Amino acid sequence: AQSVAQPEDQVNVAEGNPLTVKCTYSVSGNPYLFWYVQYPNRGLQFLLKYITGDNLVKGSYGFEAEFNKSQTSFHLKKPSALVSDSALYFCAVRDITSGTYKYIFGTGTRLKVLA
Amino acid sequence: DTEVTQTPKHLVMGMTNKKSLKCEQHMGHRAMYWYKQKAKKPPELMFVYSYEKLSINESVPSRFSPECPNSSLLNLHLHALQPEDSALYLCASSQGPPGSGPYEQYFGPGTRLTVT
Repeated sequence: AQSVAQPEDQVNVAEGNPLTVKCTYSVSGNPYLFWYVQYPNRGLQFLLKYITGDNLVKGSYGFEAEFNKSQTSFHLKKPSALVSDSALYFCAVRDITSGTYKYIFGTGTRLKVLA
Repeated sequence: DTEVTQTPKHLVMGMTNKKSLKCEQHMGHRAMYWYKQKAKKPPELMFVYSYEKLSINESVPSRFSPECPNSSLLNLHLHALQPEDSALYLCASSQGPPGSGPYEQYFGPGTRLTVT
C-alpha cells in the first residue's frame, strides 16, 4: 500500500535558523510527491512537487525539498525560517495503485518559528 | 487568477436543515474536488468531478450530494447531517483529472460547518 509518514507532530525552530520538516514515503513505482502548507482556518496551499529529474526541487516562499530515493524521503527545507512560516505542513503522495490517483496525505507537522 | 473561492465561510445548521456549499474556480481546471477536514487532521477526499462528471465517490453518505453545474462551479448539498459531520469542507481544483498527470491541486479557504 502507498503511504507517507511525517514522523514529527511539531517542529520548533528559531527565526533565521534553517528548518527541516521530514517526510518518508512507501510507494511502488516512481512516486509523485507534494508538499502543502495550511495556515489557520485556511485551505491548503501548494508549495512544490517532485515528479522526476533533479532531486532538489525548489518551490514557493523560499522552500525546497530533497528527494532521496535510497532513503525514501522527501524532506522540506528552508535556509532561514520566518515567523510567518509557522503553519501546518502536509506531505502527500499520489496513489497510483488504487486506480483513483488520489492524494495520500501525511498526518501533518506543525511548524512553530520562534522570534 | 489562481484562486478557488468558497461560500459561505461559516455555516451553522440544524440536523433537519438543507443547505448548500458553493465553490468556484476560473482557472479552466477540468477536475474539482470536495474534501472534509477535521481539526489538526489531513483532508479526506469525498468526491471528484472530472470534466463535470462524477468520477470518484469515496463512499460518502447520501446526506452529502455533490453537483457540478458547469466547469467552473461545484456545489455540495447537505441534508439531515449529524453533529459528527461538523468540519472544515474544502474545495479544490486541478488542471486535469487525477491520473492524467502529476497536477497539483489548488484549494479554497473552506467552509467551517457546524451541525447542531
